[in-house]
This record gives sequence, structure tokens and C-alpha cells, in this order.
Amino acid sequence: EAGVTQFPSHSVIEKGQTVTLRCDPISGHDNLYWYRRVMGKEIKFLLHFVKESKQDESGMPNNRFLAERTGGTYSTLKVQPAELEDSGVYFCASSQGGAQGARTFFGQGTRLTVV
Amino acid sequence: AQSVTQLGSHVSVSEGALVLLRCNYSSSVPPYLFWYVQYPNQGLQLLLKYTTGATLVKGINGFEAEFKKSETSFHLTKPSAHMSDAAEYFCAVILMDSSYKLIFGSGTRLLVRP
Repeated sequence: EAGVTQFPSHSVIEKGQTVTLRCDPISGHDNLYWYRRVMGKEIKFLLHFVKESKQDESGMPNNRFLAERTGGTYSTLKVQPAELEDSGVYFCASSQGGAQGARTFFGQGTRLTVV
Repeated sequence: AQSVTQLGSHVSVSEGALVLLRCNYSSSVPPYLFWYVQYPNQGLQLLLKYTTGATLVKGINGFEAEFKKSETSFHLTKPSAHMSDAAEYFCAVILMDSSYKLIFGSGTRLLVRP
């Protein structure tokens, strides 16, 4: 069974450019999460999809970040325009629906560097 | 508000020595607690979790953790470190809202000396 897959693994862009990160969750997982780790600090929640709907986007830093989950399958996270402080590792995670104890599976992360 | 504190951003042990990684949490409700590990160039992998029941939880690769409510702690231990245990370890608690999002500590990097 394939795990959570993220593309690209690394991205280096200039300040002001646009970057789109992609996440393919485990098939059948309704819950999809985005997290971010900046500068060796704690991993922080960005947002949560249930199928194609945004359940909670309280962690999104600002309106330069846009997340979508077309058809309840894969998700994209677009940063436009990117700023230096957006650099970090972006993790995607997925879990089956409904249970708070359900195991959450993480992808390898996308390391974003804004220069 | 729920939060997680990991004492020590770096811990160094000799191969064969006891591993102890500390985690304290703050929660107004009974917590669900987790330890995740990130090996170099890999994603986060679940080591173990506590939800209810037995307070001593065993995980993969010989790790275990004990939930101590009186101390609000969930420390991770392994009796004998192996070189392959070198990684970054994250303690986390689930926030019991509609999203069940994970609240992470800042991580502890474990170094294992030969």
C-alpha cells in the first residue's frame, strides 16, 4: 500500500515567486492535514480537509497561502507570492475518518527554501 | 490550551546506554499522546501512542513510554541505544476539537555515539 506522497521533495524559489506543493494521501483516507516546520521549531498545524471540504484552516499564516483538495483526493498548497519566512518543511498527513485516535500517516515533507 | 514541552533539543548517548527523552504536556482533558520519529530524509513515523488503558505503552524498535498523569509526563525510553536510533523524536498531543489536529513539541535530536 502506498503511503502519503509529497511532491516535490525540495524546492528553491526566489522571493515573490509562486510555488505549489502537492500531497497524495493514502487511498480512502478522508482526513488530510498540512503541517509546517519552520527553522527547527515545532511542527505546526496549517489546515485540515475532510474529503474536499476545509474543516479547519485556523493555522494558515495569511492569505498568501491557498490550499485545495480537488474531488477529495490529492491536495495542493500554493504560496503566492513567497516570502523569506515561508521557508521550512511542509508536511502532509492523512488519516481515516471519524476517530480521534486514528493513526495519522505523514509524508516525507517538502523542504521549501525562499531566497 | 493544550501544549507539549520537550526538554533538550539534543540528547547524546553511547551505544548500549539508556535512552530517555522527556516530554511534558498541558491539557485540560484526558490527553491522547504520541511519539513520532523522523529518520534522516524520511517522513514522520509513529513510534507509539497512548489513548486509554495501560499507562505503559510499547512501541516499535524497543521503545516504550509511560503516561504519568500526576506528573503530566510521557517520557520515551529505550533500555539500550543502537546506532540506528539516531533521529529526531517528536512528542505530540491531539487537540480534541473537530479536527483532532496534532500539537507537537519542538523535537529532540538523538545522537548515538559508538
